[in-house]
Amino acid sequence: AQSVTQLGSHVSVSEGALVLLRCNYSSSVPPYLFWYVQYPNQGLQLLLKYTSAATLVKGINGFEAEFKKSETSFHLTKPSAHMSDAAEYFCAVIFSGGYQKVTFGTGTKLQVIP
Amino acid sequence: IAGITQAPTSQILAAGRRMTLRCTQDMRHNAMYWYRQDLGLGLRLIHYSNTAGTTGKGEVPDGYSVSRANTDDFPLTLASAVPSQTSVYFCASSVGTGESDEQFFGPGTRLTVL
Repeated sequence: AQSVTQLGSHVSVSEGALVLLRCNYSSSVPPYLFWYVQYPNQGLQLLLKYTSAATLVKGINGFEAEFKKSETSFHLTKPSAHMSDAAEYFCAVIFSGGYQKVTFGTGTKLQVIP
Repeated sequence: IAGITQAPTSQILAAGRRMTLRCTQDMRHNAMYWYRQDLGLGLRLIHYSNTAGTTGKGEVPDGYSVSRANTDDFPLTLASAVPSQTSVYFCASSVGTGESDEQFFGPGTRLTVL
């Protein structure tokens, strides 16, 4: 079955440290992949998306993600964490059929320690 | 420019009562969506509408109904609320339903059914 997995429901990093949030999918066909950020008491905001163009995707707020077909992964990274990055991050996948078939991961809450 | 507005912001509801969550967008987007967000489960699609006058069922449609009389509004109705419908509800919209179209999310409605 096609699925998306986010490893780690909570991740803590020190301010200035590397941020790495993991997302893996299971599918024989490369899907469309998205990362969203949700700040407390707000809706989701698109960080970046992979739609079969460049495998390294740059998004807003200094985040980027690399699509690795061999590893079926789309991990989100940021070289240096900022306090304002504290939020919950969701990976989402569309295997086919547009947004009515989107599958969201369970989310990773990022804590940034000063 | 408001984007997507949702009302109410929060609501406590007795089981068995009828409730309509309102969603309005001013971006003239064709497609609209309703999701529920539950801890540890991420977002799950309830219903969607590809264009005014059409609706479709998502992953968890039971107990919910929607209508799309015009482009801007997409209300979600719980005919007879049950405690398992306690959740945070997000409305979203996109220009089209293709994977390259960005989804925009509203601020959410926090619903508690007692």
